[in-house]
Amino acid sequence: NAGVTQTPKFQVLKTGQSMTLQCAQDMNHNSMYWYRQDPGMGLRLIYYSASEGTTDKGEVPNGYNVSRLNKREFSLRLESAAPSQTSVYFCASSTEITNYGYTFGSGTRLTVV
Amino acid sequence: AQSVTQPDIHITVSEGASLELRCNYSYGATPYLFWYVQSPGQGLQLLLKYFSGDTLVQGIKGFEAEFKRSQSSFNLRKPSVHWSDAAEYFCAVGLDSNYQLIWGAGTKLIIKP
Repeated sequence: NAGVTQTPKFQVLKTGQSMTLQCAQDMNHNSMYWYRQDPGMGLRLIYYSASEGTTDKGEVPNGYNVSRLNKREFSLRLESAAPSQTSVYFCASSTEITNYGYTFGSGTRLTVV
Repeated sequence: AQSVTQPDIHITVSEGASLELRCNYSYGATPYLFWYVQSPGQGLQLLLKYFSGDTLVQGIKGFEAEFKRSQSSFNLRKPSVHWSDAAEYFCAVGLDSNYQLIWGAGTKLIIKP
């Protein structure tokens, strides 16, 4: 089925470990996004990529890096995980700016101990 | 700064009763307006969106929303809720100037049998 695929679905890290969250979409969307979701705080944008080859910081970029590998793939890297990064991470994609219609992945639940 | 307010953190409704979820935004011009639904453990799914034209928009699953410019509101309604509507609902605002959506904190809908 067409959509946004995130891996892994669950992950437990120790403080200081690194990991990369993977995201791929097969809808030929130009724009891709990484959000984190924490109880009572809604969705907060970490990074986004308006088009292949570009990335920009969102609301909460500290402690994260991203790579837009190609039009399909947009990865999120935690270089040195901290307990404050315990969250559910969502990747999303959309078409051009005048037709947002975000499509979300099913999320990655990350726990940092 | 632009913001989205969903004043109700939780709403409890009896099955078969009508529903209205409130959303207010702060933005100088007419924004793009969205409602998303998130079932437990899932990603977010687009319910409906408003860009321009008719201020009453129809969405999936029997939902509708009305844009009221004078009140800066975009409330979500459903005439008769079903137990399967139990979920968290997010209002979001899109700005023409960039690719980001601004999210409300969400309203959790609880259905009483």
